[in-house]
Amino acid sequence: QVQLRESGPGLVNPSGTLSLTCAVSGGSIISSNYWTWVRQSPGKGLEWMGEIYHTGSTNYNPSLKSRVTISIDKSKNQFSLRLNSVTAADTAVFYCARDGGYVSGFDYWGQGTLVTVSS
Amino acid sequence: QAVVTQEPSLTVSPGGTVTLTCGSSTGTVTSGHSPYWFQKKPGQAPRTLIYDTSNKHSWTPARFSGSLLGAKAALTLSGAQPEDEAEYYCLLSYTGARVFGGGTKLTVL
Repeated sequence: QVQLRESGPGLVNPSGTLSLTCAVSGGSIISSNYWTWVRQSPGKGLEWMGEIYHTGSTNYNPSLKSRVTISIDKSKNQFSLRLNSVTAADTAVFYCARDGGYVSGFDYWGQGTLVTVSS
Repeated sequence: QAVVTQEPSLTVSPGGTVTLTCGSSTGTVTSGHSPYWFQKKPGQAPRTLIYDTSNKHSWTPARFSGSLLGAKAALTLSGAQPEDEAEYYCLLSYTGARVFGGGTKLTVL
């Protein structure tokens, strides 16, 4: 059974960098899947942030493109999110997910982790 | 960036049928947009109901179905249950990016 688990600081200073990691267990990150980050700010809807394939190929939300980086660490079977120059508007619950595309869709999700941007 | 539109809220009676729709500012939604539908309840991770327009996961209740309806993607719930009360989000794929709709709050009442 594949499991995803997000980890990282729950509090980030304004203008700082938000860094999260998603550890994948029960399956290999080197597979025909896209590894995705989604967030939900308080009282708001879901926002697709970006995705990465095991080759390192990435796609990002254009509204975040200048601030977001998604990377993959095959040796640790995990992938990561970095969001620069954060403000209070970046406070959200962040989810990582596996997207199997037309084969299986978003079939596995992490439980989500709350990151608050505040001094 | 494209804007994906959903009804802000809908109400359905227990046992009733309701259709949620998902439109795109770029025009007609097609299978090429690979529509996904998610159910989201407070404090829980999203749960994928439908992927690639109409495909269901093993955990998707049979009362949910996905389709293309006119110029939009659609999620139909037939025989609503109290536990179906939730937010529902569609996700469309565009070249190089994906976009969520604003969500539909579904009330079963």
